[in-house]
Amino acid sequence: AQSVTQLDSQVPVFEEAPVELRCNYSSSVSVYLFWYVQYPNQGLQLLLKYLSGSTLVESINGFEAEFNKSQTSFHLRKPSVHISDTAEYFCAVTKGVGSGTYKYIFGTGTRLKVLA
Amino acid sequence: DAGVTQSPTHLIKTRGQHVTLRCSPISGHKSVSWYQQVLGQGPQFIFQYYEKEERGRGNFPDRFSARQFPNYSSELNVNALLLGDSALYLCASSLASGTGGSYEQYFGPGTRLTVT
Repeated sequence: AQSVTQLDSQVPVFEEAPVELRCNYSSSVSVYLFWYVQYPNQGLQLLLKYLSGSTLVESINGFEAEFNKSQTSFHLRKPSVHISDTAEYFCAVTKGVGSGTYKYIFGTGTRLKVLA
Repeated sequence: DAGVTQSPTHLIKTRGQHVTLRCSPISGHKSVSWYQQVLGQGPQFIFQYYEKEERGRGNFPDRFSARQFPNYSSELNVNALLLGDSALYLCASSLASGTGGSYEQYFGPGTRLTVT
């Protein structure tokens, strides 16, 4: 079975500073990995995904994440955060192709608070 | 194009009552999944439906049931409501069931259920 660990429940950071949100997963099979962002009172929005290929994936708003198979990690980074990045961030994993059915296993989330 | 829509947005029920939540997927998406997000936690998988058939079920009691209609919309039903059922219920749609195609799930805004 898969599991996801987000070690940091809250991360405060000043505006324009860099940030890293950590995500580690456990799985005995190949997986696909995702980061979602949730703003207050809203659903989840896909931020970026790793399916295959390059281990470094980027979003359109400056976030990036690197898949590290040996460390079973998929940490999310941004070199310079904005106030508008304040939100809850969830890491999710699902089994790879051919599984027949798939469900996302989510971490417990990391609340990013950007300070002025 | 419209995203995933859910109704109602908010709902207040009494213990022991029954509730039906509704979801319309993105046009062209044939798979619908349901998740429960308790305050302060990550979403937990409840069901996945693809082409009107159940393809996956999470660790939820039989009080939870769902179905998918020919137009791919879906209902989640919960009987004999408990206080612990209070949560944000998220619906997600995707193109495929896990045997190929896109693995991204697109989430609706959710239905917030409060059980008193």
